[in-house]
Amino acid sequence: GAGVSQSPSNKVTEKGKDVELRCDPISGHTALYWYRQSLGQGLEFLIYFQGNSAPDKSGLPSDRFSAERTGGSVSTLTIQRTQQEDSAVYLCASSLLTRSEQYFGPGTRLTVT
Amino acid sequence: AQTVTQSQPEMSVQEAETVTLSCTYDTSESDYYLFWYKQPPSRQMILVIRQEAYKQQNATENRFSVNFQKAAKSFSLKISDSQLGDAAMYFCAYRSEGAQKLVFGQGTRLTINP
Repeated sequence: GAGVSQSPSNKVTEKGKDVELRCDPISGHTALYWYRQSLGQGLEFLIYFQGNSAPDKSGLPSDRFSAERTGGSVSTLTIQRTQQEDSAVYLCASSLLTRSEQYFGPGTRLTVT
Repeated sequence: AQTVTQSQPEMSVQEAETVTLSCTYDTSESDYYLFWYKQPPSRQMILVIRQEAYKQQNATENRFSVNFQKAAKSFSLKISDSQLGDAAMYFCAYRSEGAQKLVFGQGTRLTINP
């Protein structure tokens, strides 16, 4: 079956603009995760969804970052007023249930100029 | 907070040889899960192998096996009969029994020499 998909694959934006990153999890997966991969910080957890609710938002670095999930499926990560330090690869993962294996998408490479 | 350390930023091995990637972690918990993920240039993280802390037997998946030393908090990955397709970044990851998020190490870049 289809894996986790993310769009866009690459995004270049100007400092101060807002961006939206999209994640389509594997069909039927109830849990969805966002991670960020950057040179300086490595791989960091951002937020986790169970269904449409987010029990753990502890990794969101600032209030410029937000995420939502609708219909228990697609999730959108929004970064407002982007800064250069937001440049990174944003990875999405999903799992059938919480605490089961996480399957990752190919990521979105965000470059803030 | 749990931390994961991969002390080898880069490793290289000859094709068909065996290589071991190191990982140590710090935790006060007794129940947890450990993982090795592979990230090729395509960026997509692929699960290689997982280990439950309560299991004493080391996990094995074809050419991939782990050496899990719970007391030493060590979790190394052995790749046998290395193939060109094994070239990638390898990440060690930890997950608490009661949590959902993965905590990753810094990664090891593995090069396979033909």
